[in-house]
Amino acid sequence: EDQVTQSPEALRLQEGESSSLNCSYTVSGLRGLFWYRQDPGKGPEFLFTLYSAGEEKEKERLKATLTKKESFLHITAPKPEDSATYLCAVQAGGSGYALNFGKGTSLLVTP
Amino acid sequence: DAGVTQSPTHLIKTRGQQVTLRCSPKSGHDTVSWYQQALGQGPQFIFQYYEEEERQRGNFPDRFSGHQFPNYSSELNVNALLLGDSALYLCASSSVGGVYNEQFFGPGTRLTVL
Repeated sequence: EDQVTQSPEALRLQEGESSSLNCSYTVSGLRGLFWYRQDPGKGPEFLFTLYSAGEEKEKERLKATLTKKESFLHITAPKPEDSATYLCAVQAGGSGYALNFGKGTSLLVTP
Repeated sequence: DAGVTQSPTHLIKTRGQQVTLRCSPKSGHDTVSWYQQALGQGPQFIFQYYEEEERQRGNFPDRFSGHQFPNYSSELNVNALLLGDSALYLCASSSVGGVYNEQFFGPGTRLTVL
């Protein structure tokens, strides 16, 4: 059965303090790994798709990387507006079109 | 370019009632997926519709049903509501013909069952 585990569950950073969020996955036949940002009470906002090990994508202060077993979301010099829950999801050959989500990492960036 | 829209924003129902939630996909998208998100959890896949047919279903009971219309919009129906059905219901749209498999989410409908 596909499994997605995110760590840590919660992270508190000072503004400018860089860090990384982890997403470990166990799937049969990865078709894609997706990162989303979700603000309280809102729908997830698409950030990145990664398809193969070694792939990297960047957007502003965020950089996502992928290995055969995990993905990292690196946040460089975060600002308070980066505070949100970051969700990782996988789409696997065995599960068809469904996205299988982790529970998310709740990030708080303080001034 | 309009994104995914959902209605209503909030809904309060009592146990045993029935509810219908609505979703309009992003312009150019032809596939709609529905997810349930309980507080503090990641979204759980309910089902996906393409060409007005249910293409794939997650581990949800038959009380959950859906429909897709010719204009690609979709409805989620839940019968015989239980307290445990209280959650944020998310609609996501995607394109079968797209290069990537990204699903774009709407703002959600917050359902409270009393």
